[in-house]
Amino acid sequence: GIQVEQSPPDLILQEGANSTLRCNFSDSVNNLQWFHQNPWGQLINLFYIPSGTKQNGRLSATTVATERYSLLYISSSQTTDSGVYFCAVVGGTSYGKLTFGQGTILTVHP
Amino acid sequence: DARVTQTPRHKVTEMGQEVTMRCQPILGHNTVFWYRQTMMQGLELLAYFRNRAPLDDSGMPKDRFSAEMPDATLATLKIQPSEPRDSAVYFCASGLREEQFFGPGTRLTVL
Repeated sequence: GIQVEQSPPDLILQEGANSTLRCNFSDSVNNLQWFHQNPWGQLINLFYIPSGTKQNGRLSATTVATERYSLLYISSSQTTDSGVYFCAVVGGTSYGKLTFGQGTILTVHP
Repeated sequence: DARVTQTPRHKVTEMGQEVTMRCQPILGHNTVFWYRQTMMQGLELLAYFRNRAPLDDSGMPKDRFSAEMPDATLATLKIQPSEPRDSAVYFCASGLREEQFFGPGTRLTVL
């Protein structure tokens, strides 16, 4: 099946700093989503982005499908950004099954 | 504010007991997924329904797990008998096209 690798595994920032999270995948995808799992365990949809670039406030994401990677940018980080960020993809033959990466644990200190 | 709902949010039970988890997908969504999250395995798909028909349950231990959609507003995941290794957070997700939206999860502890 398709493999999803996220980096870095852990990231510690001071409030106000910027960061870039990376997601590499091993095959073509029909779907790519970024999620934030908050400290209460809820999975929050950040972006649905199988290709191209999107922005939502301080967050933006870019997926280069031909090179099999996606980037999530967080600018001016806040303590509420802390949590785990997951990239998940649906491979070309996986008809809806999301395969998740292992996540990036982000800690933002005040 | 449309969202996926799940009940119960927390469940503690003893080994051997039956556990039933329920999910109400977002109204109008035609796909429903059950995922399980553990520290060791991360998030993994258990079962997948489209228009209430099961399409894939290959991720589910067949001898003890069962998933159904009795109607378009209800999906159930049942474990019988439960075992300590089933302790995890179980998420339901629904979607209309490609994007999936997750419920808050059921945290199951089997003693």
